[in-house]
Amino acid sequence: EVQLVESGGGLVQPGSSLKLSCVASGFTFSNYGMNWIRQAPKKGLEWIALIYYDSSNKYYADSVKGRFTISRDNSKNTLYLEMNSLRSEDTAMYYCANYGGYSELDYWGQGVMVTVSS
Amino acid sequence: DIVLTQSPALAVSLGQRATISCKTNQNVDYYGNSYMHWYQQKPGQQPKLLIYLASNLASGIPARFSGRGSGTDFTLTIDPVEADDTATYYCQQSRNLPNTFGAGTKLELK
Repeated sequence: EVQLVESGGGLVQPGSSLKLSCVASGFTFSNYGMNWIRQAPKKGLEWIALIYYDSSNKYYADSVKGRFTISRDNSKNTLYLEMNSLRSEDTAMYYCANYGGYSELDYWGQGVMVTVSS
Repeated sequence: DIVLTQSPALAVSLGQRATISCKTNQNVDYYGNSYMHWYQQKPGQQPKLLIYLASNLASGIPARFSGRGSGTDFTLTIDPVEADDTATYYCQQSRNLPNTFGAGTKLELK
């Protein structure tokens, strides 16, 4: 059974940093591109970052470029999102999801909440 | 960025057909595939993949769900609608980065 389990969220002040993790199981993590997607409270879905299976390429939404860094450790089956210079508008549920064979978001974690507030 | 437009809400009676549309401002076809996907999100849950490449049913999804379309016009159909289908449905394109989503269509029962 495929499982993606996010952790590392919480309440932080504007301007601070946070690092999210997503531990994968039930599939060969090192074969798949991985994504972070977020959802602000009562809002829609926003894709924010992609990392290729071998970390050779990384892509970001303009809203997080230069502040967030996606990375992975295939030996630990773990995806990361390092978030710096956090703003109130970064408040959201953050999901990790793997790409399927056609860049569909195949499986999603349960999400981790990040709240940026003073 | 490719913009996806969905109608915000739809109310359907149990046992009837629900049709949810998604229109894009750019063609999402590439080498014979339409890079359009559909997700279901119930309150308090993560999204779940329903349909990939416009018309392919994801694993474990009942055949009541179907998708069609190409180019810039796509539809998700649920027939017949069951009570458990109450949810928000999102379309998503992966033709270009950034991948983008529609704003979601909330399906309610009459």
